[in-house]
Amino acid sequence: QVQLQQWGAGLLKPSETLSLTCNVYGGSFSGGYWSWIRQPPGKGLQWIGEVSPDGNTDYYPSLKNRVTISVDTSKNQFSLKLSSLTAADTAVYYCARGLDWIGVLQWGQGTLVTVSS
Amino acid sequence: SSELTQPPSVSVSPGQTASITCSGDSLANQYSYWYQHKPGQAPLLVIYKDSERPSGIPERISGSSSGTTVTLTISGVQTEDEADYYCQSADSIGSYVIFGGGSRLTVL
Repeated sequence: QVQLQQWGAGLLKPSETLSLTCNVYGGSFSGGYWSWIRQPPGKGLQWIGEVSPDGNTDYYPSLKNRVTISVDTSKNQFSLKLSSLTAADTAVYYCARGLDWIGVLQWGQGTLVTVSS
Repeated sequence: SSELTQPPSVSVSPGQTASITCSGDSLANQYSYWYQHKPGQAPLLVIYKDSERPSGIPERISGSSSGTTVTLTISGVQTEDEADYYCQSADSIGSYVIFGGGSRLTVL
């Protein structure tokens, strides 16, 4: 049974960089789609980006200039970095395992990240 | 940019049928996916590739597609079905993933 466990700082200041990591337990890490998705308070889900089985990354257009998703297969983990934070980046951030390049089969527990001075 | 449009809210009585629509140009050539999201929980995939059900999802939950509109149908609605439902797909050329704004299903 694959499990995703994520961690990272929950309170950041404007202009800082968000850094979250997601560990994959109980299953193969190679060959999967791994993504990050967020939900601002009171709003809907927003796809941030993903890494595909061949190691390529795709990002949501409006976040592309600030986002980096990376993988460490030796540790069965993948990470998210989002730079130049503003209050608009306050959200619950989820790591996720893809069913395919669009669908999400499994989600992490979510991390509330608050951006405030 | 590509968008998916859902009604903000849908209300039904227990035992009735709820239909939630999702519209967007990219749905004409991209698969749709649906998630059920309850407060304090991670979203749950209930439909993938327009009409397929993951294991464990009851048959009373179904999906369909017609042109640029997809529909999630929940038959025999139960109080436990009360949640936010999100459709998901991709932009027309398949370079990024998009979500609809979400629909809150209220069971009266």
